[in-house]
Amino acid sequence: DVKVTQSSRYLVKRTGEKVFLECVQDMDHENMFWYRQDPGLGLRLIYFSYDVKMKEKGDIPEGYSVSREKKERFSLILESASTNQTSMYLCASSSRWEGAATGELFFGEGSRLTVL
Amino acid sequence: AQSVTQLGSHVSVSEGALVLLRCNYSSSVPPYLFWYVQYPNQGLQLLLKYTSAATLVKGINGFEAEFKKSETSFHLTKPSAHMSDAAEYFCAVIPKGGSYIPTFGRGTSLIVHP
Repeated sequence: DVKVTQSSRYLVKRTGEKVFLECVQDMDHENMFWYRQDPGLGLRLIYFSYDVKMKEKGDIPEGYSVSREKKERFSLILESASTNQTSMYLCASSSRWEGAATGELFFGEGSRLTVL
Repeated sequence: AQSVTQLGSHVSVSEGALVLLRCNYSSSVPPYLFWYVQYPNQGLQLLLKYTSAATLVKGINGFEAEFKKSETSFHLTKPSAHMSDAAEYFCAVIPKGGSYIPTFGRGTSLIVHP
C-alpha cells in the first residue's frame, strides 16, 4: 500500500521555537509538496520540490523553509514559530507530470501544530 | 492564473438524498480536474479525476462528476447520501501544458443528517 508518512500527528510548541515537520514517501515520487490547511481557506501551498535538493516557493513561503536531501524525504522547517503558524500541515507527493497519466497527489495524514 | 471556486462552504443533506457539490474553474483552456475527500483527522484522498477522456467520470464510493466546458464546471454528485459520506470535499485543477502543481478550492463540508 502506497504511503506518505508524516512524523508527528500533533505538536505543541512555544513561540520562538524551531520546529521540524518530517515527511517520507515510499512511492519513488519526484514531486513533493507542503500545504497548510486552515478553516475556510482550503489548502495553501507553502513550498514544493521537484527533485532532490530542488525547492520552489509556493503561495505562502514566509516564515518557512524546506529541505530535501533525499528523494523520499521532504522536511518543513519553522525557524522561529509564531502563533499565526498554528495550523494543520499536509505533505503530499506525486509522480513527475507526464500528460494525463499522473497529476494525482498522495497525502499524509497531516500534522496539527499548535504554537503557544 | 488558474482559479477554482467551490460554491457553498457547507452543504447539508438527509441520508438517502442526492448530493451535489459545485466546482467551477476559470480558464480558457479546460484544465485537468480532480475531486478529493478528507475524512475527519485524515489527509486527502482522490475521489476521481477528469483528464479529457469521457466527460462523465466515475469515482470511488458511488460518486461521479461531469465536466461541462460550456459552464466551466465539474460538479460532484452522488444519487443517495450515506452517513459515511460526511467529510470535507475539495476540487482541484492542474493547467494543461505546464505546471503540475494543483490549485485547490476552499473546500465544501458535507453534512449528512439521519
